Amino acid sequence: GEDVEQSLFLSVREGDSSVINCTYTDSSSTYLYWYKQEPGAGLQLLTYIFSNMDMKQDQRLTVLLNKKDKHLSLRIADTQTGDSAIYFCAESGTAGNKLTFGGGTRVLVKP
Amino acid sequence: GAVVSQHPSRVICKSGTSVKIECRSLDFQATTMFWYRQFPKQSLMLMATSNEGSKATYEQGVEKDKFLINHASLTLSTLTVTSAHPEDSSFYICSASLSVLRGTDTQYFGPGTRLTVL
Repeated sequence: GEDVEQSLFLSVREGDSSVINCTYTDSSSTYLYWYKQEPGAGLQLLTYIFSNMDMKQDQRLTVLLNKKDKHLSLRIADTQTGDSAIYFCAESGTAGNKLTFGGGTRVLVKP
Repeated sequence: GAVVSQHPSRVICKSGTSVKIECRSLDFQATTMFWYRQFPKQSLMLMATSNEGSKATYEQGVEKDKFLINHASLTLSTLTVTSAHPEDSSFYICSASLSVLRGTDTQYFGPGTRLTVL
């Protein structure tokens, strides 16, 4: 079955850039997503990328996709304390629009 | 746009009782809604996929008689945890798929419901 993996934890200083990495195994993934979850809350869709794209930028967020290596990354520029949260990558493949989530990366932004 | 609400946000109940959680898409019609369960410091586990007007599709290992799902309209799905036990305590999150209008399979998530069974 599909598998999505992320590193567990990332610590970054306020104002620096954060890079969160994700790898997946399903070569037929159609869409890849990044979600943000703050404590006790649901998931907020940050951005998504189609599998035929290499890069997508949206304000402070840049998504890079290396389809050959099945590697997805999210770069947050000028990281702020409000960016502290858990970030999940997810993919949807051929099984309709079911999402497979990674385990989440906890990002801690230090002042 | 694409707002999904859940009610209640938090519920505490006694063991053996049933609890109903509502999931609503507020500003769009969702033909598909999903129910997830999340344990502390873990990822989301898909429980079932709910399509309006038809029976829900449950993931392997999820008891359909325990977790009853009803998707009565294009904006409302409900999850009923029947005869709840302490091990059912968890964070339950729903999502609604906005696929018709935008041509993608994007899921928008509700804020979650924290269930505690005493």
